[in-house]
Amino acid sequence: QLQLQESGPGMVKPSETLSLTCTVSGGSISSTNHYWGWIRQPPGKGLEWIGHIYYSGSTYHNPSLKSRVTISVDTSKNQFSLKMSSVTAADTAVYYCVPYYYDSSGYYYFDYWGQGTLVTVSS
Amino acid sequence: DIQMTQSPSSLSASVGDGVTITCRASQTITNYLNWYQQKPGKAPKLLIYATSNLQSGVPSRFSGSGSGSDFTLTVSSLQPEDFATYYCQQSYSDPYTFGQGTKLEIK
Repeated sequence: QLQLQESGPGMVKPSETLSLTCTVSGGSISSTNHYWGWIRQPPGKGLEWIGHIYYSGSTYHNPSLKSRVTISVDTSKNQFSLKMSSVTAADTAVYYCVPYYYDSSGYYYFDYWGQGTLVTVSS
Repeated sequence: DIQMTQSPSSLSASVGDGVTITCRASQTITNYLNWYQQKPGKAPKLLIYATSNLQSGVPSRFSGSGSGSDFTLTVSSLQPEDFATYYCQQSYSDPYTFGQGTKLEIK
């Protein structure tokens, strides 16, 4: 069973860049059935898809964030990463790394979620 | 973007009750609809994918139905561990969007 673990600073200053890494275990990030994604949840609020990446490097981003977001993959380390530039207090959230599974019937779903990491944007 | 609207936003029920949560998409998503359960301080957990398919390990008291733009999640005979927040999510097209959540509380 896949396990994902987010890592990175828990606090970022306004206007700086948020950087998180997700380490995948229990499976290969080169899986042809998975995209590797990021979802965030501001405190007390709902879920927002940020984007995801395929092992080949193809990326998909939420247009609302696209200009500030970079998602990359390192297959040699079984990791993928998120960078979000020019952060503000509105980017304070729990950030989850999540595999987006593509099944044999053509359906997609977020199947195994990381525990999440709270990132606070504050000076 | 496809907007997902859940109703109700909150719901009170007792152990043993059956409840239904509704999710409506702003356009047709055929059956590309998933449901997640989230408990306080925890990551969401996949319950149902593709409208009606139970994820492995999810109790059979959970069921999903619908098509097009209207979907439901039903929990028959609520158990104490079912009190949580539930989210629907469309996987029809990006950006992949979630409903605002339905908080199921103990009456």
